[in-house]
Amino acid sequence: DAGVIQSPRHEVTEMGQEVTLRCKPISGHNSLFWYRQTMMRGLELLIYFNNNVPIDDSGMPEDRFSAKMPNASFSTLKIQPSEPRDSAVYFCASSFFGGQGGNLPLHFGNGTRLTVT
Amino acid sequence: RKEVEQDPGPFNVPEGATVAFNCTYSNSASQSFFWYRQDCRKEPKLLMSVYSSGNEDGRFTAQLNRASQYISLLIRDSKLSDSATYLCAVNMDTGFQKLVFGTGTRLLVSP
Repeated sequence: DAGVIQSPRHEVTEMGQEVTLRCKPISGHNSLFWYRQTMMRGLELLIYFNNNVPIDDSGMPEDRFSAKMPNASFSTLKIQPSEPRDSAVYFCASSFFGGQGGNLPLHFGNGTRLTVT
Repeated sequence: RKEVEQDPGPFNVPEGATVAFNCTYSNSASQSFFWYRQDCRKEPKLLMSVYSSGNEDGRFTAQLNRASQYISLLIRDSKLSDSATYLCAVNMDTGFQKLVFGTGTRLLVSP
């Protein structure tokens, strides 16, 4: 039973470069979330999608960040240009949102550890 | 005020002790609550959901206090393997599923 799959596991890049993080949610889940975790700020919700549609991107820190979900099985988070303060662990998570019928809790991927030098 | 707040700890307890964590939330309309466990350099994993009437899973008990807007997690008979960071999560969007996490409470269980 495959869980949420993220790639790459580690990314080291230089300031100014474009970074693309990838996520494959659990099959059958209709909600996808991107979080960022740092020691200082904890786990921050960046953006979440429902049925491939972005619902709330108020957590995206700047215009340098963008996220897409072209289909139910794939999402990307892009940072362009990257800066050292973007260094963090980025988690993708998925769940099934059933509205009044109930919700399943989030399942997280292993995360991408991003270092921007 | 932060949407979800937790005492960062660390809580240092001996094996066998009982320890409790609280988590406060700002949105009185929130309906779904969870406790997650995160080990060092790993992803958060669901520990348990929190139900209105309170619920228990082995040594773990979760409770919800709507009037005071907090949830709690009680761990009885602590084990060394319980050492981890415990994150509370609250759904802030009644229309969809916007799960906001606290910064986590670190627990260290010693022999």
